[in-house]
Amino acid sequence: DTGVSQNPRHKITKRGQNVTFRCDPISEHNRLYWYRQTLGQGPEFLTYFQNEAQLEKSRLLSDRFSAERPKGSFSTLEIQRTEQGDSAMYLCASSAGTGSEKLFFGSGTQLSVL
Amino acid sequence: SQQGEEDPQALSIQEGENATMNCSYKTSINNLQWYRQNSGRGLVHLILIRSNEREKHSGRLRVTLDTSKKSSSLLITASRAADTASYFCATDGGSNYKLTFGKGTLLTVNP
Repeated sequence: DTGVSQNPRHKITKRGQNVTFRCDPISEHNRLYWYRQTLGQGPEFLTYFQNEAQLEKSRLLSDRFSAERPKGSFSTLEIQRTEQGDSAMYLCASSAGTGSEKLFFGSGTQLSVL
Repeated sequence: SQQGEEDPQALSIQEGENATMNCSYKTSINNLQWYRQNSGRGLVHLILIRSNEREKHSGRLRVTLDTSKKSSSLLITASRAADTASYFCATDGGSNYKLTFGKGTLLTVNP
């Protein structure tokens, strides 16, 4: 168990650019989540995968955001045409599934849009 | 939207004192969880209490749950400077997969 890994840890980009983040969950976990957190707030749910299937997307996730988990292992979160309001910490979490509701979080990717 | 609301927003205590944080939520739940977050890091799971449980202990942590009042409390006894962090409650809103987090309580333990 090497934990949930997120890359990069920090990303600075200019408004209008596209960015992509990667998450490697704990290997035997079939559930993967993306959350977004801004300063002084709790994490807000963005989307959820069961294996490779994306089962829920928050209304917070505009059409500029897309997430994939192609082989049911790692996941990517892409933001197109970034805006300053996208600046936040993007957190990935995984869990083993039904009967194990505890989430294991990565250290997050801090995005700053200039 | 955030399901849980922690109270207080910030708490400052001396090492050795107890810290109590409260959480209120809005809808029915299967379980409620507490997480801890050190500055700039991810969240770490502390404890889970199910809707049919009233109290649970884990080391220096004690969690209570009152489903009739839709509230929970987290007590940290004999606090240490290393307990300085933000603490969040999270509820599943009756689902079996999605957690909704509150805004958190920032706990500062002064040595």
